[in-house]
Amino acid sequence: AQKVTQAQTEISVVEKEDVTLDCVYETRDTTYYLFWYKQPPSGELVFLIRRNSFDEQNEISGRYSWNFQKSTSSFNFTITASQVVDSAVYFCALSEAYSGAGSYQLTFGKGTKLSVIP
Amino acid sequence: DAGITQSPRHKVTETGTPVTLRCHQTENHRYMYWYRQDPGHGLRLIHYSYGVKDTDKGEVSDGYSVSRSKTEDFLLTLESATSSQTSVYFCAISESGQGMYNEQFFGPGTRLTVL
Repeated sequence: AQKVTQAQTEISVVEKEDVTLDCVYETRDTTYYLFWYKQPPSGELVFLIRRNSFDEQNEISGRYSWNFQKSTSSFNFTITASQVVDSAVYFCALSEAYSGAGSYQLTFGKGTKLSVIP
Repeated sequence: DAGITQSPRHKVTETGTPVTLRCHQTENHRYMYWYRQDPGHGLRLIHYSYGVKDTDKGEVSDGYSVSRSKTEDFLLTLESATSSQTSVYFCAISESGQGMYNEQFFGPGTRLTVL
């Protein structure tokens, strides 16, 4: 069964600090997809990134970067020079590729609440 | 932003009453999903649909049913609401189930309280 672990329940940083959110996953499949979502205090879920298991290139988007390492089954998310607007709950999620009941399911981690203090 | 709306946005009901939540999309995406979000559990899949009249169960489907008679609408029904179904319910859509374009986009959520 697939599983996503976000060991950090809550993190507080001072504005402009860098912060890394950890995500460790378990899957039997060789083909799978990893995602990060942001849930700000307003409650909506915002898609940030999707990565497939064949693409281990790190990705950078502005102040956001993602480090995918299959060897350690990790897909970590770093925010550089954090801002108050980054305060949110961040979810990592996994989708396996096998077909069958529930095969389109996203398995979410329990989320990491990030608080950026001015 | 993906065109996804949920109605109602907030509902308070009593134990034993039926409740129907509606998800409406304007993106013509094939796949639609219902999740519930509870503290300490993240989001968990209740049911999903891979086409009109095609649905399947997710991880926490007991006590829920769904229907999809049109591409744009996906209904979630609690036949007899219980206090354990107090939660925030999210609808999501995706263009594909697997492979390319399988990222899911979420609606604004419905906060349901069962007294």
